[in-house]
Amino acid sequence: DTGVSQNPRHKITKRGQNVTFRCDPISEHNRLYWYRQTLGQGPEFLTYFQNEAQLEKSRLLSDRFSAERPKGSFSTLEIQRTEQGDSAMYLCASSPGGIHYNEQFFGPGTRLTVL
Amino acid sequence: GENVEQHPSTLSVQEGDSAVIKCTYSDSASNYFPWYKQELGKRPQLIIDIRSNVGEKKDQRIAVTLNKTAKHFSLHITETQPEDSAVYFCAAISSGGSYIPTFGRGTSLIVHP
Repeated sequence: DTGVSQNPRHKITKRGQNVTFRCDPISEHNRLYWYRQTLGQGPEFLTYFQNEAQLEKSRLLSDRFSAERPKGSFSTLEIQRTEQGDSAMYLCASSPGGIHYNEQFFGPGTRLTVL
Repeated sequence: GENVEQHPSTLSVQEGDSAVIKCTYSDSASNYFPWYKQELGKRPQLIIDIRSNVGEKKDQRIAVTLNKTAKHFSLHITETQPEDSAVYFCAAISSGGSYIPTFGRGTSLIVHP
């Protein structure tokens, strides 16, 4: 499968625990985005990388959230001290970049449940 | 920042009927408008998009129209089929900025056979 992949697909954790998700974008896509999606809502932007540089972070991204893309390829999203309100689908998307906006290709998501 | 409103939230049609979903946006700098289809439990997938230099775009049974003056754009699906049942999201992006899409809240389309 040459599309965007995310691991794990599902994560159940207890409140207060830390969790880390991984996203592998389409090869050679230099833009990578993280979103959060809750039931009945569209994807909400969290953060965005151009290669290894984190260029934008949403106000939604509290201090408990951190994202990295160390070599400009895969990315990780870590949530520390999880809260029940963090329960959601976390989507990753990649885009080839360039001077014009290009289509984003979404991964299957990681569904987080915080008990 | 950009604000995208999407209506209706739910749309129920009979197979063969047309379906129209409407979105409005607030940022006049937005110039790219994609539509995504998300089936239950699956990832969002782009179905059609339009840039601000055109007013309409068609791809078989789907079409998108854009009115820049009124800041609204619409998705039109003709001859609907049960497999069109899904949640549809519109989005608005300014490619002169940070390329970050703002999504609408989604429309759940149900096509009854």
